[in-house]
Amino acid sequence: SQQGEEDPQALSIQEGENATMNCSYKTSINNLQWYRQNSGRGLVHLILIRSNEREKHSGRLRVTLDTSKKSSSLLITASRAADTASYFCATGDDYKLSFGAGTTVTVRA
Amino acid sequence: DGGITQSPKYLFRKEGQNVTLSCEQNLNHDAMYWYRQDPGQGLRLIYYSQIVNDFQKGDIAEGYSVSREKKESFPLTVTSAQKNPTAFYLCASSIWGPSYEQYFGPGTRLTVT
Repeated sequence: SQQGEEDPQALSIQEGENATMNCSYKTSINNLQWYRQNSGRGLVHLILIRSNEREKHSGRLRVTLDTSKKSSSLLITASRAADTASYFCATGDDYKLSFGAGTTVTVRA
Repeated sequence: DGGITQSPKYLFRKEGQNVTLSCEQNLNHDAMYWYRQDPGQGLRLIYYSQIVNDFQKGDIAEGYSVSREKKESFPLTVTSAQKNPTAFYLCASSIWGPSYEQYFGPGTRLTVT
């Protein structure tokens, strides 16, 4: 079942700008993960935030989690052309992950 | 060099034929997964295996079969019973448990005509 839903579906920004995307989910979770997928490639894990955490940072990435609203956000700061990709949230509960449909981010030079 | 490999990258088959997609990992992970991705969509779980000689159906198992005879290998067979087999197939592996990241292979794009 596809639990996470990303918003927006697509995002186009200028290099150097920040990109923010959101993920909403329906049921309780153990953790929430964000992955990146470059066109035609496999997914790469970016960051995992546990249900008892509210914010996490990794390099230029900042993830927040609000379990009361069942939502998460991923912020990419100072975007680069190499950040052009699709970003997926995945919720983990009973030992499996459920992926959303993704946000496609295009960074213009 | 640890990782997860899938072969081939592109696969073409005629309708009515079974086809087997390969997935191998040398990360010593117990758990392995197969996902299907259609254009503009997220990943849907086909099958997963938490240990050798054991596997479970995911959300869209109909028309697919798997085996897990070795820890390193988790091949997926797309049978002729799968009504819309053309898709991008992704294999992943992880430590078995609710809080671990999954490592993905590069994917196999299957086209059935």
